[in-house]
Amino acid sequence: GQQVMQIPQYQHVQEGEDFTTYCNSSTTLSNIQWYKQRPGGHPVFLIQLVKSGEVKKQKRLTFQFGEAKKNSSLHITATQTTDVGTYFCAGRSGNNRKLIWGLGTSLAVNP
Amino acid sequence: NAGVTQTPKFQVLKTGQSMTLQCAQDMNHNSMYWYRQDPGMGLRLIYYSASEGTTDKGEVPNGYNVSRLNKREFSLRLESAAPSQTSVYFCASSEGGLSMNTEAFFGQGTRLTVV
Repeated sequence: GQQVMQIPQYQHVQEGEDFTTYCNSSTTLSNIQWYKQRPGGHPVFLIQLVKSGEVKKQKRLTFQFGEAKKNSSLHITATQTTDVGTYFCAGRSGNNRKLIWGLGTSLAVNP
Repeated sequence: NAGVTQTPKFQVLKTGQSMTLQCAQDMNHNSMYWYRQDPGMGLRLIYYSASEGTTDKGEVPNGYNVSRLNKREFSLRLESAAPSQTSVYFCASSEGGLSMNTEAFFGQGTRLTVV
């Protein structure tokens, strides 16, 4: 079945360093969404990418959708302690009506 | 505007007991979902409801039942709780159906322990 693989599983950085998490799908995706979950919290929607090669920015966060629409990345520039949490990608293929979630990347930031 | 409200926030059950997790949304969304989240397993879909009056199985439906009571409310029932159902349960809703590109809004979660 369709799978969305997310790497790395964990990342520990010093405050000010950059961070990137990657999502790779076994099938072409119609869209991909990114969510952030703070420790003890619930997932909160960050962004959605739909177009091939799409790049979107939210302040220090840059989201990309691959040309083949099979992979995506989230890059955080100059991490801050407020970036701590788990980042999930979730994608949907044309043949699958359900949103398939990656397992998430947990980010820890040392002040 | 409360968004998605789940009750209870915490629950401890004994094996074999039953309980219902309640979820309500005030955003007039068509679709509602129940997920469970376990360490290292990410979010797994238990059941979803694409519209009022319809429900469908997700990835891990065994041991659960759901009711879409009306457009606002979507409840999850554990008929005979088992330790394997110890998890954090999230209810979510979205404006469109599963085939539409709409974001999901999550409730605060229910932390369930079955002993």
